Order: sequence, then structure tokens, then C-alpha cells
Amino acid sequence: DQQVKQNSPSLSVQEGRISILNCDYTNSMFDYFLWYKKYPAEGPTFLISISSIKDKNEDGRFTVFLNKSAKHLSLHIVPSQPGDSAVYFCAASAGRSDTGRRALTFGSGTRLQVQP
Amino acid sequence: DVKVTQSSRYLVKRTGEKVFLECVQDMDHENMFWYRQDPGLGLRLIYFSYDVKMKEKGDIPEGYSVSREKKERFSLILESASTNQTSMYLCASSAPRGVTEAFFGQGTRLTVV
Repeated sequence: DQQVKQNSPSLSVQEGRISILNCDYTNSMFDYFLWYKKYPAEGPTFLISISSIKDKNEDGRFTVFLNKSAKHLSLHIVPSQPGDSAVYFCAASAGRSDTGRRALTFGSGTRLQVQP
Repeated sequence: DVKVTQSSRYLVKRTGEKVFLECVQDMDHENMFWYRQDPGLGLRLIYFSYDVKMKEKGDIPEGYSVSREKKERFSLILESASTNQTSMYLCASSAPRGVTEAFFGQGTRLTVV
């Protein structure tokens, strides 16, 4: 029972165009969402996050949108660059920030390929 | 620069062996995690620890145990390795308060033959 779903295993876009990666979740207790980027044979690196009190967060070429009613978030990369080619994981966490007990639940990942 | 270091990049072990995966972080984080990554399944949480000697089971703890004797070190133990434990293992740590991201190590590719 996957609580965080990335339904597109792969995405290919042209350099300079927009990349849109999607993520859906089922657990309404999730209140913090993150995107990680992973290159082969390396650990994931944090990219951008959003709290459930917001619907958009922007950092340079990366923007994350959150639609709580649809339980959907997306990552937009504009413009896409060949160096963005990697696997992107959506992650979510819920509750107990008072005790610090927050573990991340990850999606299955989307492999993005940016063609030069 | 924050750092999570896993002791091995690649390991090959035999079925039935006891396997130790070590992870050290230098950020004074209370929370530490062990995940495994498999194709099509993403990262799945095995165990996490929110303090020294404290631990909680994640989604797939069967066949694994953990040890946290010091704040900076979190060990994953495969009591009797099996071929279905062949995977990429990822350690992470995070700060205890508020909502912050988890920092990951470089991963250990474990093959059980």
C-alpha cells in the first residue's frame, strides 16, 4: 500500500524546455513534502521542500506546487538542463515534530532524461 | 559541509552470513534512518532511531536489526543474510525539531550470493 506514488517511471524532455514531475499521496496526515534528486551510485540529495500551509515554493529553476485537495504535488524545472538528468524522488512526512520523530515516506521515483 | 558516511560502497556476502552496515554522521543529528532502494519500489524505511539506544521499526524491518550506541553512529545488522536482501542500502540523518530535510550517505550496494 504505497502512500506516496509517482506514476511515471520515466520522462524525457528537450534541453531548455520545462520538466514536470508528478507525485500523489494518500495519507492526509502528511504535512511536509520534499523532492530529492539521485544520481547512480550516489545517495539522494535534497532539492526543494514545501509545507502543507503553502501551495508553492520556488528556488531558482525549481518550483514545487502542492494541491492539498487533490493530494497532489508537482516539481517544475525550467529551463531543463542535461545535468538535471537523474532519478527524482518525492517524499512526505507526518506529525510528531514536537518529539522530532519524523521519518520520510518515499515514492518509487521518476527517471528524468534531458536531451541536449 | 554536512556529512553522512557509510563504511562501504560495495559489499558481497554469502547467504547466512551476519552482515554489519555502518553509518556515521557529523551533524549532531538526533534522528538517523536506514532505507533500502530497489528498482520500481523507491526507498523503503527499514528502521529509524531518534536518540541513542532508541529505535523504531519502519515499513520493512523483518530480517534486520539496528544498533545506536553513540549519537553519531547507526548500524544496520542483517542477522542471516539472504539473497532477497541484495539491494542498495542508504543511511540518513536529520535534525530533531521542526521540519528539516534528511541528509543521505552515498549508499552501500550489498550483494548476497
